[in-house]
Amino acid sequence: KNEVEQSPQNLTAQEGEFITINCSYSVGISALHWLQQHPGGGIVSLFMLSSGKKKHGRLIATINIQEKHSSLHITASHPRDSAVYICAVPQGDADKLIFGTGTRLQVFP
Amino acid sequence: DVKVTQSSRYLVKRTGEKVFLECVQDMDHENMFWYRQDPGLGLRLIYFSYDVKMKEKGDIPEGYSVSREKKERFSLILESASTNQTSMYLCASSASTGLAEAFFGQGTRLTVV
Repeated sequence: KNEVEQSPQNLTAQEGEFITINCSYSVGISALHWLQQHPGGGIVSLFMLSSGKKKHGRLIATINIQEKHSSLHITASHPRDSAVYICAVPQGDADKLIFGTGTRLQVFP
Repeated sequence: DVKVTQSSRYLVKRTGEKVFLECVQDMDHENMFWYRQDPGLGLRLIYFSYDVKMKEKGDIPEGYSVSREKKERFSLILESASTNQTSMYLCASSASTGLAEAFFGQGTRLTVV
């Protein structure tokens, strides 16, 4: 069993829809990362959170440490949100990360 | 603007060649990482370094070596490239503060023929 699991693996949406991507993990953690990878490869860090909720523009990330679960929400989705979204948690010491396999999101106009 | 720069976006090499992938960061970060990314497998850690001249094996170090002679530069070396090393390679760096944000390069797509 992977230590970090994401769902769904693939997601398609119409522009304007509310998107939810889920991440579950099996290890105890101090923080969780959400990353975005656009076609072409570069990865950008979206959030790092250890409790509650964080918001940045149309992106919202929540985490429930007790349930070992995090969600990434995108409100009013747009085609430029099309990307792979990856969650990651620290492995052992906090300097190394374990990654989920990613959720591929496509938003159509 | 913080930056992690990988030397090449695309590389095509022949089986048996020695391949160098270079990564440079300008944030004075202590930690640097090399990952490979394959469909269905996500990012897997090859090697990481937490200081100059220090290195530690990640989850899949076989067939790779690394070099960190200067703090800003972390090189991944494929001693004798093989077709199963065809992959996307990503470099990352982070400060050594425990819960540090990671910054990634743009990736190098390596094809070994």
